[in-house]
Amino acid sequence: GDSVTQMEGPVTLSEEAFLTINCTYTATGYPSLFWYVQYPGEGLQLLLKATKADDKGSNKGFEATYRKETTSFHLEKGSVQVSDSAVYFCALSEERGGADGLTFGKGTHLIIQP
Amino acid sequence: DSGVTQTPKHLITATGQRVTLRCSPRSGDLSVYWYQQSLDQGLQFLIQYYNGEERAKGNILERFSAQQFPDLHSELNLSSLELGDSALYFCASSLGSYNSPLHFGNGTRLTVT
Repeated sequence: GDSVTQMEGPVTLSEEAFLTINCTYTATGYPSLFWYVQYPGEGLQLLLKATKADDKGSNKGFEATYRKETTSFHLEKGSVQVSDSAVYFCALSEERGGADGLTFGKGTHLIIQP
Repeated sequence: DSGVTQTPKHLITATGQRVTLRCSPRSGDLSVYWYQQSLDQGLQFLIQYYNGEERAKGNILERFSAQQFPDLHSELNLSSLELGDSALYFCASSLGSYNSPLHFGNGTRLTVT
């Protein structure tokens, strides 16, 4: 079945550092890929998405490129801020006879220190 | 604000009891999803409804059931509660196609004592 593997945290960085959170997936077809972010006490929010190979999703300075050849969707940001501290989830969605629930990775807790 | 409303925010109950969690989807969304989030299991997909009909089932226990009503709000019923059912329960909604993003509510924190 479908699965998503992402680096487990916590990942601790200093402000203005470069961020990479790795994500790889296993799917039977051609999934759509997503990154969600969860701030403390809140639900998950869509950060960015890509629906086909070589698409780049971007939002709020974060980017991720859909790499079919390496089945990866790594999240990057050039200069992180304290406000980026949150849990980040990689996810995929495939069309399966009408069902379309997301399969999530376990989440990566990111801590940015001033 | 995602537009998805979940009530209550917190629930504390005893083992063996039954509770109902409620979700109102974002306006215009036909699909509702329920997820359970716990420290050891991560985010687990429980069940999906689309326009009142069950569309997909995930790791939902037989003690749990859900439904989506004609006005599209949904309820998740948890019965014969066990300590291990303590978790955050999230509802999400979407338009219902596989590349539509999900919009999550802020969750209901269930504590079983």
